[in-house]
Amino acid sequence: GAVVSQHPSWVICKSGTSVKIECRSLDFQATTMFWYRQFPKQSLMLMATSNEGSKATYEQGVEKDKFLINHASLTLSTLTVTSAHPEDSSFYICSARMGLQGNSPLHFGNGTRLTVT
Amino acid sequence: SQQGEEDPQALSIQEGENATMNCSYKTSINNLQWYRQNSGRGLVHLILIRSNEREKHSGRLRVTLDTSKKSSSLLITASRAADTASYFCATGTDSNYQLIWGAGTKLIIKP
Repeated sequence: GAVVSQHPSWVICKSGTSVKIECRSLDFQATTMFWYRQFPKQSLMLMATSNEGSKATYEQGVEKDKFLINHASLTLSTLTVTSAHPEDSSFYICSARMGLQGNSPLHFGNGTRLTVT
Repeated sequence: SQQGEEDPQALSIQEGENATMNCSYKTSINNLQWYRQNSGRGLVHLILIRSNEREKHSGRLRVTLDTSKKSSSLLITASRAADTASYFCATGTDSNYQLIWGAGTKLIIKP
């Protein structure tokens, strides 16, 4: 149980275009989902916390207008990278939690490798 | 955000040997979790240890927690090639939904 599906697994896009990444909890309801960015050989960098039915909470330094997050249902959150640039190329990972508090494990998607040309 | 430091940053051992990774943190916690990440994939939860626990086992995994030293260790016994991955620790509190991540240890098991 507790499967998180992330799609697409990789995407190549041209500068200036937008890319949408989906994160779905397949067999549980996720009130909260997290979006991370990971640079090569580094740890996870939390970008934002996605809350169902409300606005996402962004970490300091993350542009809200560039990384649009929508959490329209208890099983789906989307991250849209708008007007992508080569520096946005990275590995993006979503995760979801069944419980609300920090005492339960996170379930991760398999990540999306974004390459902006 | 990151508060943890993991050491070593990289570890390369022979198959069959035991692998030990350490994690240190700075603030008070209610739990500490270990995750594995295979190259180019998402993370997989391995084990969670609460702050009132000192040791926990799961299969070939053994986790210890020393809250007085603010440190934890992950031991993988009888390592296998399939254990090759990066391992991350993350700390959590009951009042905060976020986890704070360590920098990770890259483990390579040589066949």
